[in-house]
Amino acid sequence: QQQVKQSPQSLIVQKGGISIINCAYENTAFDYFPWYQQFPGKGPALLIAIRPDVSEKKEGRFTISFNKSAKQFSLHIMDSQPGDSATYFCAASIAGNTGKLIFGQGTTLQVKP
Amino acid sequence: DGGITQSPKYLFRKEGQNVTLSCEQNLNHDAMYWYRQDPGQGLRLIYYSQIVNDFQKGDIAEGYSVSREKKESFPLTVTSAQKNPTAFYLCASREQGAVNYGYTFGSGTRLTVV
Repeated sequence: QQQVKQSPQSLIVQKGGISIINCAYENTAFDYFPWYQQFPGKGPALLIAIRPDVSEKKEGRFTISFNKSAKQFSLHIMDSQPGDSATYFCAASIAGNTGKLIFGQGTTLQVKP
Repeated sequence: DGGITQSPKYLFRKEGQNVTLSCEQNLNHDAMYWYRQDPGQGLRLIYYSQIVNDFQKGDIAEGYSVSREKKESFPLTVTSAQKNPTAFYLCASREQGAVNYGYTFGSGTRLTVV
C-alpha cells in the first residue's frame, strides 16, 4: 500500500513533442505528490508538485494531471527539448507524517533533436 | 548559498570495511534523510531524522548506521554487514512542518566495493 508505481521505465520523444509519464498509488492517505528531475551524477531537484484538492497544476511547460478517483497522476512535458533529457521520479507523502517521500521507480527520458 | 553538501563524491570500499558518508546542510532544516539509489529501483529510504539526537530506520536500514549530533550534520556509515553496498547515496533535508514537503537533495556519493 505504500508503493508508487511509475511507467514507462524509459521514454524517447522527438524535440517539440509531448512527454507523458504516469504514476499510480494505493494509499489514499497520500496528500502530496511531487515530481523530481535528476540529471546524471546529480541529486534530484523538485520540478513541480500537486495536492489532491486540484486536478491539474501547470508551471511553464510542465503540467501535473491528478485523478483522485483513479489514484493516478501524470507529468506532461510540452514542447519537449533535448535539455529535458533526464530521469524523472514521481513521489508521494502523507501530511503531518514524518515527511517521508515514497518514490516511483523512475523514468529515463531522452528527447531527440 | 544555502544547500546540502555530500562528500566524498566517489568512495571505494574494500570488503569488510566500514565507511562513512558525510552530509552537511546550511538550510536550517530540521529533518534529514538518507536514500539509496540503484538502477531501475528508484530511491529507497535508509534512515531519517526529524530532530537532533533522534533518528528512525527506513525501509532498508540493515547494514547502515547514522548519527544526528548536530542539526546541520547527518553522517551515514555503511558497515561491513551491508552485503551489497555499491550504489548512489543521496542525502536530503526538509523544513519540518513546511506546507510543502519538497526535499532539497545533495549531489550524492557513489560508493563502489573493490
